[in-house]
Amino acid sequence: SQQGEEDPQALSIQEGENATMNCSYKTSINNLQWYRQNSGRGLVHLILIRSNEREKHSGRLRVTLDTSKKSSSLLITASRAADTASYFCATTRSGTYKYIFGTGTRLKVLA
Amino acid sequence: SAVISQKPSRDICQRGTSLTIQCQVDSQVTMMFWYRQQPGQSLTLIATANQGSEATYESGFVIDKFPISRPNLTFSTLTVSNLSPEDSSIYLCSVLGPGGAANEQFFGPGTRLTVL
Repeated sequence: SQQGEEDPQALSIQEGENATMNCSYKTSINNLQWYRQNSGRGLVHLILIRSNEREKHSGRLRVTLDTSKKSSSLLITASRAADTASYFCATTRSGTYKYIFGTGTRLKVLA
Repeated sequence: SAVISQKPSRDICQRGTSLTIQCQVDSQVTMMFWYRQQPGQSLTLIATANQGSEATYESGFVIDKFPISRPNLTFSTLTVSNLSPEDSSIYLCSVLGPGGAANEQFFGPGTRLTVL
C-alpha cells in the first residue's frame, strides 16, 4: 500500500500542552499537506510544505519535513480544547497529482 | 481558495438502491476528485472526475458501482449504486487549487451515507 502512516494513532493531552504528530511515507513526493477533520466532517487544510522545504509555521502550527527519512511532523503548541480532531497528512508522489492520505492521528485535548 | 458544497449532507438508504451526491465549486477548476472515508478510517481516492470524458478510477473502484459525471468545470456527481451496508461511509469531493499539484487541495463538507 502506498498509504502513509501516522503515529501516534491517538493522543490525549491537557489544554496548554504541545501535541506532536508524525507522518511517514514511502515514495518521493512533490509536497506534503496536513489536514484537520472534526467529527467526521469535511477536511480543513492546515499547511502545505513542499519537498524542498524543511520547516514551515502557521500560527500555532509548526511542520517539519525530512525527505531523507520520508517523514514529517506536525506540532501544535499551546493546545486548546477546540484542537480536538483527527489530523491527516497527505502526499503527492513526484510526477502525479494524486494525494495519498495517512492513517490519521486522533487528538483529544482535555480542558 | 475554493468553496465547495455537497448535497445531500447525509442520507440513509435501503440496500439495493442508489444515491447520487452532488458537488458544486464556486470557481472553475480543472481537477476534481471523489474520496471515500469508511468509519474510523482514512480517505481513499475513488476516482478523478474529468470534464468532458470518463472518470479515471483507482484500483478497486469500477464505473458500474461508482458512476461519475462532470458536465462542466464547476460541478460533478458521484452515484453509489446497488447499495450495501459496506458502502456506509463519508464521501468527499475535492479540488486542486490553481497551479496544479503543487497547490492545496480543498475539500467539500462530505456526505455521510448510511445503508440499512
